[in-house]
Amino acid sequence: QSVLTQPPSASGTPGQRVTISCSGSSSNVGSNTVSWYLQLPGTAPKLLIYSNNQRPSGVPDRFSGSKSGTSASLAISGLHSEDEADYYCAAWDDSLNGVFGGGTKLTVL
Amino acid sequence: EVQLLESGGGLVQPGGSLRLSCAASGFTFSNYAINWVRQAPGKGLEWVSAISSSGFSTYYADSVKGRFTVSRDNSKNTLFLQMNNLRAEDTALYYCAKEEEEFQLLLISDYWGQGTLVTVSS
Repeated sequence: QSVLTQPPSASGTPGQRVTISCSGSSSNVGSNTVSWYLQLPGTAPKLLIYSNNQRPSGVPDRFSGSKSGTSASLAISGLHSEDEADYYCAAWDDSLNGVFGGGTKLTVL
Repeated sequence: EVQLLESGGGLVQPGGSLRLSCAASGFTFSNYAINWVRQAPGKGLEWVSAISSSGFSTYYADSVKGRFTVSRDNSKNTLFLQMNNLRAEDTALYYCAKEEEEFQLLLISDYWGQGTLVTVSS
């Protein structure tokens, strides 16, 4: 069981906006920044969002992140078929561990 | 161009040992902490270990503490993960992943290797 809680699945149609939640605790999400990763089948994860809401260069502004208290969210607007992937949230924990969410499989219908 | 290349994976019997390596290039290796992250077949990501830029500080998941040891050779731009007393549940693809910012450790990894597969089975 993962330390950070994500819904196992999410779905949307092309052009739609979807959000993926990530719930943690005061020792991880509540006190450290949250990152989001995208993983396509058979490939390494890719950094999508860091420091709660910052996008690395090259990541479209359709992707946005937010955090409030011990919860964080990833929003994807204007859904594209190529957004179909697994999404993971991550954070450092004050117990000196890294923690990931269990992952959310996004399906574009 | 930043590159991370893992090696050393393979098939090992339960109770056995393996030493993974991660060769880095394209950045000032000694300025960045590095994470090891694994992914069991069909499962999600699991953080395994991390090491500070200097190598003086190391961190481990409870699931591997006492069995795995992370180290680095900054003169050779190489990271290691010594894995002892391996168990079936350690079977996974092991990634090394570079921290995004110098001298920080926040599980913000902007570059990942392609992974090396470890299979623990008799």
